[in-house]
Amino acid sequence: DAGVIQSPRHEVTEMGQEVTLRCKPISGHNSLFWYRQTMMRGLELLIYFNNNVPIDDSGMPEDRFSAKMPNASFSTLKIQPSEPRDSAVYFCASSPTGTGGRQPQHFGDGTRLSIL
Amino acid sequence: SQKIEQNSEALNIQEGKTATLTCNYTNYSPAYLQWYRQDPGRGPVFLLLIRENEKEKRKERLKVTFDTTLKQSLFHITASQPADSATYLCALGAVGSSNTGKLIFGQGTTLQVKP
Repeated sequence: DAGVIQSPRHEVTEMGQEVTLRCKPISGHNSLFWYRQTMMRGLELLIYFNNNVPIDDSGMPEDRFSAKMPNASFSTLKIQPSEPRDSAVYFCASSPTGTGGRQPQHFGDGTRLSIL
Repeated sequence: SQKIEQNSEALNIQEGKTATLTCNYTNYSPAYLQWYRQDPGRGPVFLLLIRENEKEKRKERLKVTFDTTLKQSLFHITASQPADSATYLCALGAVGSSNTGKLIFGQGTTLQVKP
């Protein structure tokens, strides 16, 4: 079975440019999560969706960050304009519907983003 | 504010020994706790889930304990192998309509098993 698929795997761009990260969750999973991982702050939840609806975006650092989930099989995380401090590994994860942390989350292999 | 602490220093042990990793938390009342494994360049992979009313959970060579009084979980790997070398993350989840699936992750502890 295909796992969570993220693209691109690596992205290097100059500050000020728009960056779009993509995620295809596991078919049948109703919850989707976007995380950011850095050495300093670890794995931070940015936003999560349930049935394509954003439930909690309190982790989105600034208005420069936006996320969409137009359908059950696709989500994007966009940064515009990008800044060097946005450099990190961004993970997408999905899980079956469940309350709280009852369901395991399945992670993609991440997008390593470098903003020069 | 909510805080999750895992040993920041790497844990080095000899093959065959039992590795014990610690996860402590404050200002939080999780209903569930999960443990994940992360290899370099890869996303975290789910290992075990334990509920607040469970004291212990086992899966093959893995064992997790959950003490809500001490606000602590211990993660044990018995008969450790070099292939167990990785970073291990604990994650806490709460129950509630506003917490559908949301987890808070610790920083992780890196385990190195030497042959």
